[in-house]
Amino acid sequence: QSVLTQPPSMSGAPGQRVTISCTGSNSNIGAGYDVHWYQQLPGTAPKLLIYDNNNRPSGVPDRFSGSKSGTSASLAISGLQAEDEADYYCQSYDSSLSGPSYVFGTGTKVTVL
Amino acid sequence: EVQLVQSGAEVKKPGESLKISCKGSGYSFTSFWIGWVRQMPGKGLEWMGRIFPGDSDTRYSPSFQGQVTISADKSINTAYLQWSSLKASDTAIYYCARRSLHAHNFDYWGQGTLVTVPS
Repeated sequence: QSVLTQPPSMSGAPGQRVTISCTGSNSNIGAGYDVHWYQQLPGTAPKLLIYDNNNRPSGVPDRFSGSKSGTSASLAISGLQAEDEADYYCQSYDSSLSGPSYVFGTGTKVTVL
Repeated sequence: EVQLVQSGAEVKKPGESLKISCKGSGYSFTSFWIGWVRQMPGKGLEWMGRIFPGDSDTRYSPSFQGQVTISADKSINTAYLQWSSLKASDTAIYYCARRSLHAHNFDYWGQGTLVTVPS
């Protein structure tokens, strides 16, 4: 069902920068719909990390940043920390002919080495 | 404080029916859409559908249309997800989440309900 593609896994040493891509199409990200990012720590519910492409909810560290261009978006984690080890999902809205719906990315597991 | 509290884990047999719940508190329950999201074992997130408790307007993902029913009882600030005949492939964690007021994202999530349907 996922129409947003993410790399399955990424890793980095503490302090490094990791950038996760989210590739969509002209019926979702490319149509101008905003992209949002969620962090899912092991065994917990997802948590909103970035909304409307590049905005952080209150309490989210500024190490997390988002961007969007064309049919893709990115989540950057700078100054990687051990507690950032989690699954990350992008999400947008899709207006395809099969019916409008919210769509999530395939998910990226981030490992801190 | 905004909270979404879901009902507890369920173990059911194939063919049985099930209704799980999501109770909202700390905000105006009738003013925000509530969505349901499936996460199969070891897999990613899938949007199933959403409901506006204020008037019970309901939208389904094409992938889940006809497979589940979403409802709400605004008198007790509770949304529901139900199945009429469970299958082993329905085994998953189900999350409810509140959609932001003016955006297409989900700002608060329930803790999840594990549904197990042994084959």
